[in-house]
Amino acid sequence: EAQVTQNPRYLITVTGKKLTVTCSQNMNHEYMSWYRQDPGLGLRQIYYSMNVEVTDKGDVPEGYKVSRKEKRNFPLILESPSPNQTSLYFCASSPISSGSTQYFGPGTRLTVL
Amino acid sequence: KNEVEQSPQNLTAQEGEFITINCSYSVGISALHWLQQHPGGGIVSLFMLSSGKKKHGRLIATINIQEKHSSLHITASHPRDSAVYICAVSAGNQFYFGTGTSLTVIP
Repeated sequence: EAQVTQNPRYLITVTGKKLTVTCSQNMNHEYMSWYRQDPGLGLRQIYYSMNVEVTDKGDVPEGYKVSRKEKRNFPLILESPSPNQTSLYFCASSPISSGSTQYFGPGTRLTVL
Repeated sequence: KNEVEQSPQNLTAQEGEFITINCSYSVGISALHWLQQHPGGGIVSLFMLSSGKKKHGRLIATINIQEKHSSLHITASHPRDSAVYICAVSAGNQFYFGTGTSLTVIP
């Protein structure tokens, strides 16, 4: 089944404890992206990747890191999480760049205490 | 800065009504996307369009590039259409999103 998977789905952590949210797609898509969704602000793009080893900042990259060592995986790393990073996070992929249909993962609800 | 504006924010309709959700954007785009998010969070793409009109079942999406405006129409609305509808645009390699329209269809 074609899908985007994210793990974990739910995470409660404390300030400063490094964490990684994994994202994997099995559709051989070139473009992958991370978003956060907050009430009243909607979805905002954190980072995106056009292909392996090619990543770039979105609108809200502060406090996040990403890597794209393999085409299928695009992990989101929070080196020192803070409470303002409490949010619902979505990973998405699309065949080519941003001008094609996106497929979203199920979301990861992160709470930073 | 809000590259994408949606209206209305909330919408309640009776089953069977015709529904319109509007989206305006301020940036040059390569495509406009309509997304649906059901309670519980999952997001699915309904339409991607760069010109004209697309139809899928009871859903119709239109875009006017000159006016930088798009509409999503739902004909013969049904309670299962209750969801948040999100307009998004791809500009360069980035995505920008509206804050969503929460639709409730009452039986």
